Amino acid sequence: QKEVEQNSGPLSVPEGAIASLNCTYSDRGSQSFFWYRQYSGKSPELIMFIYSNGDKEDGRFTAQLNKASQYVSLLIRDSQPSDSATYLCAVRPTFRSSASKIIFGSGTRLSIRP
Amino acid sequence: GAVVSQHPSRVICKSGTSVKIECRSLDFQATTMFWYRQFPKKSLMLMATSNEGSKATYEQGVEKDKFLINHASLTLSTLTVTSAHPEDSSFYICSAPGGGQAKNIQYFGAGTRLSVL
Repeated sequence: QKEVEQNSGPLSVPEGAIASLNCTYSDRGSQSFFWYRQYSGKSPELIMFIYSNGDKEDGRFTAQLNKASQYVSLLIRDSQPSDSATYLCAVRPTFRSSASKIIFGSGTRLSIRP
Repeated sequence: GAVVSQHPSRVICKSGTSVKIECRSLDFQATTMFWYRQFPKKSLMLMATSNEGSKATYEQGVEKDKFLINHASLTLSTLTVTSAHPEDSSFYICSAPGGGQAKNIQYFGAGTRLSVL
């Protein structure tokens, strides 16, 4: 079982709709969860991070965390063509040290169709 | 957010030559930096963890003698691809945890696209 799993997609969503991206992780002790967006040929950029169970909203983006189910998701409301990218879910197992590695999922390719 | 500067952004070199890539934290100190490699349409693969003032920690299967990492200061880590070959052609990206309240967040450099002829 992979440490962080995502559906590779592509996920095709019509413009204006809600895009829902999902991620599961295997380490129950994981503490920090991140969503990065990566455009083709570019490096990842941080979209959101979440540490506590529940929802966290930032503009059109909402991150949802359920530690009991080991599940984290990203919702993108009012999807725009510029949201078309690969979305990487990342998990950091511990708060204790800033040197801790982040484990990345393989990414979900999202395509917003006009 | 914190800024991580990486250069060069693009390198084309002949087979057998060595290439050095620099990664700098511009407005914060980074005792640790991470080096990743990404092949086209593939996921990010962590190569090694760069530790200021000590040896880097390499992931399984990554040759430490081929990918030399130096982290001589709190703001600079370098990755040298020695005797590069065409199969080393890839997108190399560094990251660093932000300082202060952002210490739990990884910030990425812009990446270096290496093409070995």
